[in-house]
Amino acid sequence: GAGVSQSPSNKVTEKGKDVELRCDPISGHTALYWYRQSLGQGLEFLIYFQGNSAPDKSGLPSDRFSAERTGGSVSTLTIQRTQQEDSAVYLCASSLARGGLAGAVGEQFFGPGTRLTVL
Amino acid sequence: GENVGLHLPTLSVQEGDNSIINCAYSNSASDYFIWYKQESGKGPQFIIDIRSNMDKRQGQRVTVLLNKTVKHLSLQIAATQPGDSAVYFCAENTIGGSYIPTFGRGTSLIVHP
Repeated sequence: GAGVSQSPSNKVTEKGKDVELRCDPISGHTALYWYRQSLGQGLEFLIYFQGNSAPDKSGLPSDRFSAERTGGSVSTLTIQRTQQEDSAVYLCASSLARGGLAGAVGEQFFGPGTRLTVL
Repeated sequence: GENVGLHLPTLSVQEGDNSIINCAYSNSASDYFIWYKQESGKGPQFIIDIRSNMDKRQGQRVTVLLNKTVKHLSLQIAATQPGDSAVYFCAENTIGGSYIPTFGRGTSLIVHP
């Protein structure tokens, strides 16, 4: 079956422009995550969606960052007035909340990421 | 000068050797751990997980060891192959707590043929 897909795979933009990054999670996965990965660094959590609950936005670095998840499926991460420090790979992941693990996150399935370059 | 913060810890091994990748976690309340493999240009991929009620778990060519006393996790890869070359991340989470795992910085494994 299809995995997590992200588009575009690469995005080059000018400083000050807005960008939208898209994530299509695995069908049926109720949890969706956005992460940012800078060169040579680990994964920085941005935002988490779980079903119809209010998203956990605690990782968003500034109010220029926002995300939506429509119909419990596709998600869009929007960065307004991009800055050079926003350049990174943006990764999306989806997962099932496993009842057997009593609420812990189970295996996350990651998309290939969108490489954002802000000139 | 060089910013060492941009460089991941690196482990270089010869093909056929066993590899051990280490991870120190910070939250003593964490009780669920996952290892991910990230190949160049791809997203991380699940390798193996372990719960805190276990000290060891084995998969295919991989073994994860957990030492809760010193908050240390390791991933052992047997008979390392060039295809194992990647960045390896550990992640920690708390059962019944946040659904948001905390990822380590990662270790780059380079396998020389």
